Amino acid sequence: GAVVSQHPSWVICKSGTSVKIECRSLDFQATTMFWYRQFPKQSLMLMATSNEGSKATYEQGVEKDKFLINHASLTLSTLTVTSAHPEDSSFYICSASMSDTQYFGPGTRLTVL
Amino acid sequence: SQQGEEDPQALSIQEGENATMNCSYKTSINNLQWYRQNSGRGLVHLILIRSNEREKHSGRLRVTLDTSKKSSSLLITASRAADTASYFCATGRTGAGNMLTFGGGTRLMVKP
Repeated sequence: GAVVSQHPSWVICKSGTSVKIECRSLDFQATTMFWYRQFPKQSLMLMATSNEGSKATYEQGVEKDKFLINHASLTLSTLTVTSAHPEDSSFYICSASMSDTQYFGPGTRLTVL
Repeated sequence: SQQGEEDPQALSIQEGENATMNCSYKTSINNLQWYRQNSGRGLVHLILIRSNEREKHSGRLRVTLDTSKKSSSLLITASRAADTASYFCATGRTGAGNMLTFGGGTRLMVKP
């Protein structure tokens, strides 16, 4: 149990395009999901907390208009990187919360050319 | 800023040896969790220890928590080459809901 999926697992796009990443909790409902980004050989940095039915809470320094989060159901949250630039290239990981534990998706590697 | 600081940042041992990783944090916590990440993959939850617990075991894993020193350790006994991965501690803070703050991680390499 407690499986979280992400789609796509890998995406390459041109600079200026928008990319949507989906995060799904497959066998449980999650009122709260989290989005992280991770640069090579570094730790996870929390970007935002996604709450079902309400606006996401963004961490300091994360542009909400750049990283659009939608949590329309108890099993799905989406992160859209708008007008992506090469500096947005990173590994994006979501997690879904159940009790005190967060269960992580396998991550999405975004490369912006 | 990162709540947790881990040391060592990198650890290389031979198969069969024990590996110990440490994590320190700064604020009050509800719980502390350890995760494992293989290169380029998602995180796998290993163990959760609550602030009122001092030690917890799971298979070859042993986690301790010292709230007076604001530190935790993860011990992997009888290591295997398959244990090669990065290990992160993450703290769940009082009043922060289910939000976790991650440490910098320890990159463990177990040589066969």
